[in-house]
Amino acid sequence: NAGVTQTPKFQVLKTGQSMTLQCAQDMNHEYMSWYRQDPGMGLRLIHYSVGAGITDQGEVPNGYNVSRSTTEDFPLRLLSAAPSQTSVYFCASSYYRSPYEQYFGPGTRLTVT
Amino acid sequence: AQSVTQLDSQVPVFEEAPVELRCNYSSSVSVYLFWYVQYPNQGLQLLLKYLSGSTLVESINGFEAEFNKSQTSFHLRKPSVHISDTAEYFCAVSGSAGGTSYGKLTFGQGTILTVHP
Repeated sequence: NAGVTQTPKFQVLKTGQSMTLQCAQDMNHEYMSWYRQDPGMGLRLIHYSVGAGITDQGEVPNGYNVSRSTTEDFPLRLLSAAPSQTSVYFCASSYYRSPYEQYFGPGTRLTVT
Repeated sequence: AQSVTQLDSQVPVFEEAPVELRCNYSSSVSVYLFWYVQYPNQGLQLLLKYLSGSTLVESINGFEAEFNKSQTSFHLRKPSVHISDTAEYFCAVSGSAGGTSYGKLTFGQGTILTVHP
């Protein structure tokens, strides 16, 4: 099993550009989520999904869109990048019956200039 | 709403010394509690969890944490640390099953543990 994979590992964007962060898992997990990690602030939940076709907002959803067309994939879209979105982004997945035992991907480091 | 406070942002210790990483939480509902560890340039890994039952929980690499409901704390301890324990540690809380916050992890700010030789 590859576990949770994320691409790209690093990305630099200019303000106003859009992009999609990719996340995939091969463990047949129902529950997937996106977090951002900022120094001194821990991880904050952006969006999550409990299964294909079902998504919901987390703590900091503004400026981000998600969709879940398959069980395996959960892309995160930045619609118009802003410097405040400079962060490290982590995707995680788990079984729905134990959603807190989450498996994390290696992260994407995003810089918006 | 629930929140987590990790009282120390950095904890330096010498190898083989004991360590305690402090975590306090607040919640209006029953909670599950967790410690996650993040080694340099990696994602987070679940270290240990408290769901119910014994208030003292242990990990496979010698860490333990005790759930104290009256003090709303879930401190992480290890009696003798190793260089390889150097990492950032995150305390997290989730609402228990049946509640609206079930499965949504709220993380603390993180504590960087640095073990010196």
